[in-house]
Amino acid sequence: DTGVSQNPRHKITKRGQNVTFRCDPISEHNRLYWYRQTLGQGPEFLTYFQNEAQLEKSRLLSDRFSAERPKGSFSTLEIQRTEQGDSAMYLCASSSVTGTDYYGYTFGSGTRLTVV
Amino acid sequence: RKEVEQDPGPFNVPEGATVAFNCTYSNSASQSFFWYRQDCRKEPKLLMSVYSSGNEDGRFTAQLNRASQYISLLIRDSKLSDSATYLCVVNRGGSYIPTFGRGTSLIVHP
Repeated sequence: DTGVSQNPRHKITKRGQNVTFRCDPISEHNRLYWYRQTLGQGPEFLTYFQNEAQLEKSRLLSDRFSAERPKGSFSTLEIQRTEQGDSAMYLCASSSVTGTDYYGYTFGSGTRLTVV
Repeated sequence: RKEVEQDPGPFNVPEGATVAFNCTYSNSASQSFFWYRQDCRKEPKLLMSVYSSGNEDGRFTAQLNRASQYISLLIRDSKLSDSATYLCVVNRGGSYIPTFGRGTSLIVHP
């Protein structure tokens, strides 16, 4: 499978716990994005990497959120001290520098987080 | 004003109908535009890139109006399988960060 892979697919956690999600982008894509989507809304931008460099973070990304992309390959998104408001679908997308205008962004299946 | 605005609908149309969605964007420096389709509880998938000259793919036609800062999607001969949420995506001017509208829900009924 050469698509974007996200793990886990579902995560249920208790409030206050830490969670970590993983995204494996398409191998030749050097741009990687994290989004959050809640019911009835479009995906909201969280953060963006080009290779291993984190180039932009949204104001939505509080201090409890951190993302990494070591070696410019897979990425992790960690949420510390989860709150019920963090319950959402977390989507990862990747794209290539040269192909974005034509091929857009490819999304993974997402990780659905439920904080109880 | 939101960066990307869409009418959430739902648009409820019979099979065979023609339906059109518009999406307005606020950043005049935006360079790349897309329509994505999202089925319930699934990830968004690229439907079409939108080029300055407009483009067509089968029953789907996308157009860009830079002067009025909107893009449109026309679906002809609607099928039941077209029922989904259609997301408008616009790159921020000067960056490769896509901004999504909230989506327009389409329901095609027999």
